[in-house]
Parts: sequence; structure tokens; C-alpha cells
Amino acid sequence: QKEVEQDPGPLSVPEGAIVSLNCTYSNSAFQYFMWYRQYSRKGPELLMYTYSSGNKEDGRFTAQVDKSSKYISLFIRDSQPSDSATYLCAMSSISGGYNKLIFGAGTRLAVHP
Amino acid sequence: DGGITQSPKYLFRKEGQNVTLSCEQNLNHDAMYWYRQDPGQGLRLIYYSQIVNDFQKGDIAEGYSVSREKKESFPLTVTSAQKNPTAFYLCASSREHSGNTIYFGEGSWLTVV
Repeated sequence: QKEVEQDPGPLSVPEGAIVSLNCTYSNSAFQYFMWYRQYSRKGPELLMYTYSSGNKEDGRFTAQVDKSSKYISLFIRDSQPSDSATYLCAMSSISGGYNKLIFGAGTRLAVHP
Repeated sequence: DGGITQSPKYLFRKEGQNVTLSCEQNLNHDAMYWYRQDPGQGLRLIYYSQIVNDFQKGDIAEGYSVSREKKESFPLTVTSAQKNPTAFYLCASSREHSGNTIYFGEGSWLTVV
């Protein structure tokens, strides 16, 4: 079993839809949770960062962490064609002073006009 | 502009050749990383360095080598011992103990011909 599981999609939605992207994990020591957005043939860019449980909102994006269920989500409201990308979840604990980051495989999202 | 610069963007290698990928950052970050990305497999850590003149193997270090002679620079050499080098290579950096937020360069595509 992988430490982090993420549905690869692709996920296709119409413009304006609410998108829900999810990851599950098995390591209860994870404390830091991130979402990255990666456009085709580009490097990932950090989208959201959350420490421990709870919600965090930034514009149209909301990140949720449920540590009891080992489940994290990214919601995109009023989705736009420019949101079409691959979304990677990432998480880590501090192990021996080094921040080992574990990534999900990524979910491809397509938002069509 | 502050950021991480990778070069070249595209690189072709013949069988049996070593190639070196460049990574430079001007973010004054202490830690630097090299990841490999293959379709459907997410990002896998090759090497990381938390301080100048020190680096550690990641999960898939075989066939790769690095150096960290300067804080700003972390070049990756893909040696002929790497059996399947065709992939997208990503360099990243972070402040030490930054809460695990790492930032990526734009990536380098390596193809073996």
C-alpha cells in the first residue's frame, strides 16, 4: 500500500463547477499537508499549505485536513478553464530534522467552457 | 526575479553517456532537492542537501550523483549506470525547517536516444 493515495482521474467538469480533489494517507505522523498545481510540462507550484487539521481558504480554493480519517481535500469553487492542470497532494512529518515530503501521483483536472 | 532556474529544459542523451542537469536558486534557501517524475508515479526523491558540502541519498539515488559546493547550486549528474533515465527531472529548494514548503523549478526533460 502506498503511503499516499490519489485518484489519477482524469476529472472533467464544466466551467463554474465545484471541484473536489482528494488524497488519503496511511502515516499518522504526517503533520504538514500541501497541494501543488502542475501545468503540462511545467514544474509544480505551491497552491495551499496546511498544518495539522482544519480548513484553509484562499480565494476560490479551500483545503481541508481530517487527520482522524487520514483524508485531505482541495475544493475549487467557480472552476475556470485556467484551472485545468494536474493537482498533486503532498505531506510530511519531520524525521531526524529532514522534511521528507511524500507526494500523491496527481489528479488530472480538465475544466471545459 | 527570485526563483529556481533549471537548465537545459530539454536534453537528449546517447546510451552510455553521462549528462549533468543544472539547478540554481537565488532564494537563499538552505535545502535543495532533486526529484524524478514519471507518468502515473508522482514525484520520487533522488538526492537532497540541507547544507553546503553535504547531501543525502533519497529513494532512487542509484545511477545519479550530485554536488553542493555552493549554497545556490545543486547540479545532478545522470550517469550511464542509470538504466532508465528518460524522465522529467525537477529541482526544488526550501528554507531549513520551513514547515516543509518546497518550491520547484520548471524542470528538465531528459530523453535517451
